[in-house]
Parts: sequence; structure tokens; C-alpha cells
Amino acid sequence: DVVMTQTPLSSPVTLGQPASISCRSSQSLLQSDGNTYLNWLQQRPGQPPRLLIYRVSNRFSGVPDRFSGSGSGTDFTLKISRVEAEDVGVYYCMQATHLPQTFGPGTKVDI
Amino acid sequence: EEQVVESGGGLVKPGGSLRLSCAASGFTFSDAWMTWVRQAPGKGLEWIGRIKSKAYGEIRDYGTPVKGRFIISRDDSRNTLYLQMNSLETEDTAVYHCVAGLGASEYDRWGQGTLVTVSS
Repeated sequence: DVVMTQTPLSSPVTLGQPASISCRSSQSLLQSDGNTYLNWLQQRPGQPPRLLIYRVSNRFSGVPDRFSGSGSGTDFTLKISRVEAEDVGVYYCMQATHLPQTFGPGTKVDI
Repeated sequence: EEQVVESGGGLVKPGGSLRLSCAASGFTFSDAWMTWVRQAPGKGLEWIGRIKSKAYGEIRDYGTPVKGRFIISRDDSRNTLYLQMNSLETEDTAVYHCVAGLGASEYDRWGQGTLVTVSS
């Protein structure tokens, strides 16, 4: 199975300041179709996860533009340009390139 | 509004069986690839498995911990996804989420989840 690692696992942030989460996979996530199926999910306290970013850098519908994703191969990054109070929660990277699909351990973001 | 709602969770003894359902609305269910993801209490997310749409042969894939014990199926006439769970273990205790792929990814819409507790 592809192992997903995230750093940091916990990230205290300051409102209005940027934040960044790194994600690394044990194998390249570039699929033969040319796509890289690396997604970022956000889980606010008491809520189900929701999709933030798909295929590395595409913001899902309704996601604020302060969220951005980048990376390639095995190294990926989620950035929040200016953290807001509603961004508190756990962020997961996950890969859908290889089966079984796998998730990172999550990064807890709190103020 | 696109929505998926899980049901069927509850308390079951080790070795027992349970069937979860996921009712979909607001989108063309028959076109969607559907996934089950679970989350043990206080833990992270774990992929259970996925069923592709009929156009892709309704191919099913499963995660390692559940392969051979769990079965994913769908009834497009009822807009419903199912998860048949057999030979349940205490480690299967979790909130089970149904997830719909609506075009952007396989993870576009998540349900609130249903809690399954495996305990004697």
C-alpha cells in the first residue's frame, strides 16, 4: 500500500497569517493517464470531511481561494494564505492513484 | 442539493453482520462512483472500498482490512449504496461515511456518517 505522511501533525496558527502542510507519498502518484490523484480534505470539529483540493491543485466548488495546492510526484503542499477562524480542523491528504487508496494521518490546525 | 445520507449503524457483537445503506439525492446516482470511508473514534480516515458506475462495469475494489469480509453493492433504481459487513471485529468500530464522486473527484460529497460499534 502507498504510505502517505504529513508534516507537521499539529500546527498552531495565527489568524491572518499563512499556514502550510506538507504531504509525501511512498510512491509517485502520477498515473498512466497523466493525472496525479492527490486530494486534500478538511474536517472541521464535529463535521464529516469535505473536499478542498483535487488532483493536486484544483479547488473544489465553494472553497475559498486562500486555499491552494501544489506539488508533483511524491511531494505535495497545501497552503492557506491567511488563516481564518473557520479553518480550524484536521487536514488530510489522500491518494487515489493506486489501490487501495490511502490517507495521510492528518494535520491538526488550531489557533 | 446533492446529498448522501447513511443509515443502518448500531451495536453488533463480534462475528456478527450488519448492512449499511446510503441514500443519494440531488444528482444522477447511476453515473457516480461511490466510496465507503470509515473513521474510528478519535482516529484518521480509512478507505473501505469503492464501486464504479454501471458504465464502468460496477467494478468493486476493497481496502486490505476488509477484503473478503465486506461487500459493496448499489441499486441504481433506488439511488442507494450498500455496505454488507460480515465477520465483524472490534477493530471495525467506526463512523462509516458514504462518499459520492460527482465529476471533480471521487470525494465530492460526503455523508454525515453512521456509527457502527462492535462489542460483546
